[in-house]
Amino acid sequence: QKEVEQDPGPLSVPEGAIVSLNCTYSNSAFQYFMWYRQYSRKGPELLMYTYSSGNKEDGRFTAQVDKSSKYISLFIRDSQPSDSATYLCAMSWSGSEKLVFGKGTKLTVNP
Amino acid sequence: DTAVSQTPKYLVTQMGNDKSIKCEQNLGHDTMYWYKQDSKKFLKIMFSYNNKELIINETVPNRFSPKSPDKAHLNLHINSLELGDSAVYFCASSSGSRGLDTEAFFGQGTRLTVV
Repeated sequence: QKEVEQDPGPLSVPEGAIVSLNCTYSNSAFQYFMWYRQYSRKGPELLMYTYSSGNKEDGRFTAQVDKSSKYISLFIRDSQPSDSATYLCAMSWSGSEKLVFGKGTKLTVNP
Repeated sequence: DTAVSQTPKYLVTQMGNDKSIKCEQNLGHDTMYWYKQDSKKFLKIMFSYNNKELIINETVPNRFSPKSPDKAHLNLHINSLELGDSAVYFCASSSGSRGLDTEAFFGQGTRLTVV
């Protein structure tokens, strides 16, 4: 079993839809949870960062962490064509610089 | 101003050659990384340096050798290139040290193709 599992998609939605992206993980030591967005032929950029369990909201984006289920989610409200990208979840544990990434989910938002 | 810059952006080379990729960050960060992203977009850490000291060395063939002349630079040298080395190599940096409490900034990537 891989440390971090993420459905690679692809996921195609109409503009304005609510998008739900998810990752599961096996390592209970993970405490830092991130979502990166990667546009085609670009480097990943940090979108959301959460420490331990709970929710975090930033504009149209909401990140949720459920440590008891080892499950994290990213919700995108009112999705826009500019949200079309690959979304990568990433995790780490205290005392480590190492990020463990999921395989990424490719999202296309159609106008 | 580019925060993390890599050169070259594209690299096409023959099997058996030796090549280097350079990375520089102007963010004043102490920690730099090399990640490899394969054709299926899976991003995996290779190396990490903190203030010129190697702190993460994943299971990577010893044909790959990182070098950090100072904390703003981290280069990657690859000997005897193989077809399986074809991938996108990302450099990244962060200010976190021994505890990830800050984000990692990624460069644009170097697309290496071995023919």
